Amino acid sequence: LAKTTQPISMDSYEGQEVNITCSHNNIATNDYITWYQQFPSQGPRFIIQGYKTKVTNEVASLFIPADRKSSTLSLPRVSLSDTAVYYCLVGDIGGTGKLIFGQGTTLQVKP
Amino acid sequence: GAGVSQSPSNKVTEKGKDVELRCDPISGHTALYWYRQRLGQGLEFLIYFQGNSAPDKSGLPSDRFSAERTGESVSTLTIQRTQQEDSAVYLCASRVFGGGSVSYNEQFFGPGTRLTVL
Repeated sequence: LAKTTQPISMDSYEGQEVNITCSHNNIATNDYITWYQQFPSQGPRFIIQGYKTKVTNEVASLFIPADRKSSTLSLPRVSLSDTAVYYCLVGDIGGTGKLIFGQGTTLQVKP
Repeated sequence: GAGVSQSPSNKVTEKGKDVELRCDPISGHTALYWYRQRLGQGLEFLIYFQGNSAPDKSGLPSDRFSAERTGESVSTLTIQRTQQEDSAVYLCASRVFGGGSVSYNEQFFGPGTRLTVL
């Protein structure tokens, strides 16, 4: 499974847009890019998934350049409740589907 | 219930004792996963069940760890002769196997069991 690199931590203020970039230089052809969010004392929660270009849902947008060696999770107008750890995962979603988590990015949203 | 449930939510045990952790997946989800999360770390994959196929045990850290699943329902993770390094949150996740939606392989996690080995 492709290794990912993302910032360990980020700070933001309420109402701002937050962009978290993940590097995955060794991404394979069959790999998808998936982001999970984890609040303290809870299990991770799926946010968004994409293969290439841009994906948008009610929570976030995911930007993937043509070479797919990186991806950017964009959270519009964050609030205090968006304070969480965000994990970028890359892997073939077929097969066993087991997820390989890194340390993630701890986002702290300040008032 | 609507989501994945796990029990107990917290477990404190003494070193050397055996513990059993339970996971109730979402009804209809054929795939079930166990992960371990140490404090401040990401999740480590432990084991995967899919239907009647042989489980993928490649993530189990030692032979003290084992897991069972009855059909497509409840799963139990057992840790024998617990050690202090086993202290962690144990998370269970389930998903629908197969499908063609954009969120293929979306895993639904339970709240976890926090295990403390004294």
